[in-house]
Amino acid sequence: ETGVTQSPTHLIKTRGQQVTLRCSSQSGHNTVSWYQQALGQGPQFIFQYYREEENGRGNFPPRFSGLQFPNYSSELNVNALELDDSALYLCASSLDRVTGELFFGEGSRLTVL
Amino acid sequence: AQSVTQLDSQVPVFEEAPVELRCNYSSSVSVYLFWYVQYPNQGLQLLLKYLSGSTLVKGINGFEAEFNKSQTSFHLRKPSVHISDTAEYFCAVSAPNSGNTPLVFGKGTRLSVIA
Repeated sequence: ETGVTQSPTHLIKTRGQQVTLRCSSQSGHNTVSWYQQALGQGPQFIFQYYREEENGRGNFPPRFSGLQFPNYSSELNVNALELDDSALYLCASSLDRVTGELFFGEGSRLTVL
Repeated sequence: AQSVTQLDSQVPVFEEAPVELRCNYSSSVSVYLFWYVQYPNQGLQLLLKYLSGSTLVKGINGFEAEFNKSQTSFHLRKPSVHISDTAEYFCAVSAPNSGNTPLVFGKGTRLSVIA
């Protein structure tokens, strides 16, 4: 059974640029969630996708957007990067939307200069 | 909306000593509760979960937690810690009967085990 994989693991961008982060969900999982973890903080919910549709969104501006593909993999896109977007971005997949039990990847660490 | 408070940001403890990491939650509806562990430069790994049934939940690596509804707490305990338990621990809550159920995390407790 393949776990959740994310790419890239590290990347550096400058203010105003755009970034795309990718996630392959665990086999058989149809729900993907994205979280932002700033240094020294707990993960903050960005949004969740269920069967290719956005299923919930946290308190993040519209420049944070996402996609889920038919194979349940997912992308997180961030436009017009700001310094405060520097964080670890975590993708998590789950078998359903009900229990909230998430399986996390190791994250993509984004640094915005 | 749900929220989680982890009462201690850092907990130092000597090897083989017991430890308790405290977690309180706030919710107007019934909840599911979780503890996750994060080792340096890694993602989060599920330690244990409370969905229903027995309020004492046992997890991996010798950890256990007790759900106390009246005190809205879900404290994590281990009777004897090892150096390898040094990590960041996150308590999280979800509300299963509210439709969309994202996990809401606390700010974390850094456990440092001292030899």
